[in-house]
Amino acid sequence: RKEVEQDPGPFNVPEGATVAFNCTYSNSASQSFFWYRQDCRKEPKLLMSVYSSGNEDGRFTAQLNRASQYISLLIRDSKLSDSATYLCVVSGNTPLVFGKGTRLSVIA
Amino acid sequence: NAGVTQTPKFRVLKTGQSMTLLCAQDMNHEYMYWYRQDPGMGLRLIHYSVGEGTTAKGEVPDGYNVSRLKKQNFLLGLESAAPSQTSVYFCASSPSGSSGDTQYFGPGTRLTVL
Repeated sequence: RKEVEQDPGPFNVPEGATVAFNCTYSNSASQSFFWYRQDCRKEPKLLMSVYSSGNEDGRFTAQLNRASQYISLLIRDSKLSDSATYLCVVSGNTPLVFGKGTRLSVIA
Repeated sequence: NAGVTQTPKFRVLKTGQSMTLLCAQDMNHEYMYWYRQDPGMGLRLIHYSVGEGTTAKGEVPDGYNVSRLKKQNFLLGLESAAPSQTSVYFCASSPSGSSGDTQYFGPGTRLTVL
């Protein structure tokens, strides 16, 4: 089983839609979880950390399920500017382990 | 405050040539990292450093060497480039190695080896 697995997509959604991404991780000892965003031909940037109790930042909600070892990201009221690749990131044996990313395209 | 910068932005090499990629950060971060990103493979850690004068191997270290002579700089060397090293290389830094630390990435270096 790969350390961090994500559905590569692409997810093609209309503006205003709600979209959810899931990510599973294999290391039950992982302590920290993040979602990073990567625009085409740019560097990854932190979108948000994921806390055990779940957390929200504007239109974005992240949740963690330790028992099932998965993380989710929910985007409400999608904007064209949300089009990007979303990377699930988990602390592991090396500093951080990055998923391969899920590509989102928001269509007008 | 420039954050993390990388030099050069683009480079084309012939097989067997050598080169050094430079990463610099002005945030006084202790940890620095080199990743490569290939289509369908995601980000893979090459080498990292937990402080000045230290380096450690990541997931895919073969064919690369690194040095961290100054806290703000982390160099990635290719002694004899191979086509398999064609990739986008990202440098990153974080305040410490704490698992909760955010990593800040540079803009990347696009390397093509012919």
